Amino acid sequence: GAGVSQSPRYKVAKRGQDVALRCDPISGHVSLFWYQQALGQGPEFLTYFQNEAQLDKSGLPSDRFFAERPEGSVSTLKIQRTQQEDSAVYLCASSSRDRGSTDTQYFGPGTRLTVL
Amino acid sequence: GDSVTQMEGPVTLSEEAFLTINCTYTATGYPSLFWYVQYPGEGLQLLLKATKADDKGSNKGFEATYRKETTSFHLEKGSVQVSDSAVYFCALSDSSYKLIFGSGTRLLVRP
Repeated sequence: GAGVSQSPRYKVAKRGQDVALRCDPISGHVSLFWYQQALGQGPEFLTYFQNEAQLDKSGLPSDRFFAERPEGSVSTLKIQRTQQEDSAVYLCASSSRDRGSTDTQYFGPGTRLTVL
Repeated sequence: GDSVTQMEGPVTLSEEAFLTINCTYTATGYPSLFWYVQYPGEGLQLLLKATKADDKGSNKGFEATYRKETTSFHLEKGSVQVSDSAVYFCALSDSSYKLIFGSGTRLLVRP
């Protein structure tokens, strides 16, 4: 079946612009995660949803970052007033079970954001 | 806080050579440990995992053993192929949801 998809794959924004990044998880997956991967680094956790509930947003770097998953499927990561330090690849992952399991997280291809 | 340290790359090997990529971790509890691989132009894929001490994860000829006494989860493969060229990430999860990754090790296998 289809894997995790993300759009757009590439986004160039001018500093100060708002951006919205979309994630379509694997159908039926309960858990959804967002990670930020800076160049040459490993991914870093941003936020976690179980269905439509955002249970952990401890990794969001500032209040300019906002994520939602209103119907428990598609999720959007929004970054307001983008800054150059926001340039990174944003990864979405989903898994079929809720927290408390070690179920595999399936990753999307990522959105590469470049802020000029 | 919890963290993962893995050897810096790039690691350059000839085809059929033996591979070791070192990974050590720091965690307060009993984490699950993972190796993810990122092939050029593709997303992260789970390569193998181990959920408790002394477990051995294996897949596609790769192996890693969860060593609690040395807090390590080194990745090994007996004979690498050109197609194994990728970036490898060691990761842990101590809360059974979010992953904490190392910085990645690039492997380049030459024919």
